[in-house]
Amino acid sequence: GNSVTQMEGPVTLSEEAFLTINCTYTATGYPSLFWYVQYPGEGLQLLLKATKADDKGSNKGFEATYRKETTSFHLEKGSVQVSDSAVYFCARGQAGTALIFGKGTTLSVSS
Amino acid sequence: DTEVTQTPKHLVMGMTNKKSLKCEQHMGHRAMYWYKQKAKKPPELMFVYSYEKLSINESVPSRFSPECPNSSLLNLHLHALQPEDSALYLCASSQQFDREKLFFGSGTQLSVL
Repeated sequence: GNSVTQMEGPVTLSEEAFLTINCTYTATGYPSLFWYVQYPGEGLQLLLKATKADDKGSNKGFEATYRKETTSFHLEKGSVQVSDSAVYFCARGQAGTALIFGKGTTLSVSS
Repeated sequence: DTEVTQTPKHLVMGMTNKKSLKCEQHMGHRAMYWYKQKAKKPPELMFVYSYEKLSINESVPSRFSPECPNSSLLNLHLHALQPEDSALYLCASSQQFDREKLFFGSGTQLSVL
């Protein structure tokens, strides 16, 4: 079927640590891929996106590369900050269908 | 203005009440959405409006009734809800040609007693 699978959280890190949140997808064809972030008490915000294989999306120090061969779109950041504490959702889209979200991964960064 | 504004931020209602959630955007987006999000879960699509017409209803119970009075406004009318309907209700909008790039409001946290 068409789905998005994210690593289970919560992920707990110290400030300046390296972050990886894994995401894999299943889909027919070649969907666009997204990471959305939800800060406490807020709605979701688009963090970054990639629309085709080998594209790298980046924003605010976060990066993710569209890997067709492994059907993955892992989120990385070299040095996390306390302000990065939030829930991160991987999502896939495809023309004519609604955005499909993963279950979300909670990140907690301590100083 | 790149905001989607939702009111109220919090709502407590009984199972016999009628209430409405409101959403407004002034980005010229012609696609608007209602999502339901339970705690620690991803958002679940409820309804999609395209050019003020309902285009997707994800088998949502009739106690939820959406309305799009104009291109900037989206309402969700609530009647005879159940406690399990308690959740964060998120409104979103997008360009018609880029429906995967959603702009979300902060949501209405609904509690049904």
